Amino acid sequence: SYVLTQPPSVSVAPGQTATITCGANNIGDKNVHWYQQKAGQAPVLVVYDDSDRPSGIPERFSGSNFGNTATLTISRVEAGDEADYYCQVWESSREHFNYVFGTGTTVTVL
Amino acid sequence: EAQLVESGGDLVQPGGSLRLSCAASGFTVRSNYMSWVRQAPGKGLEWVSLLYTDGSTYYADSVKGRFTISRDNSKNTLYLHMNSLRPEDTAVYYCARTPFTSRFDYWGQGTLVTVSS
Repeated sequence: SYVLTQPPSVSVAPGQTATITCGANNIGDKNVHWYQQKAGQAPVLVVYDDSDRPSGIPERFSGSNFGNTATLTISRVEAGDEADYYCQVWESSREHFNYVFGTGTTVTVL
Repeated sequence: EAQLVESGGDLVQPGGSLRLSCAASGFTVRSNYMSWVRQAPGKGLEWVSLLYTDGSTYYADSVKGRFTISRDNSKNTLYLHMNSLRPEDTAVYYCARTPFTSRFDYWGQGTLVTVSS
């Protein structure tokens, strides 16, 4: 099955930029979505279709996807951005239907 | 604004059954693709099941044959019927709207299912 690999943790100082990667074979051919999950809360969609933002999500959150790596970038990091982040893709074929989540990355704001 | 509220989570013995509910407001369940996603304690997210607008259903291999997704249009509510529960089914279960069958844009707060003797 399709595996999405993320770094377990990323640490960043306030005001700096956090970069979270999501690696998989030819992930650039798929639409990648990103979720933020704060402690004890439900996930929130922060980026969809590689680089689009739902309404209400700050412009500080941006995404890209090319080749074997998708990336979520958080600019001007704030304390409130501390959370787990998951990438996600959808795969479908005649024999198979599945939503795949990445392994998750914990962002710590120093 | 769209809102989802899950209920029905409980402590159940291995081999037991449970029905989860997800009440929607701000949109109609029958006109949207809807999913269940779960998260075991301290673990990542795992998709469980999807219900199409036409009634077609899809399941993760880990629950196929044991879980059934359904909806009640009159109550605007999504359900997950879980049978033959196993300890590895222990998780917080979220319902989520699934536009274009690709992503999850609105999530409920989750309901905890614990399978243990």
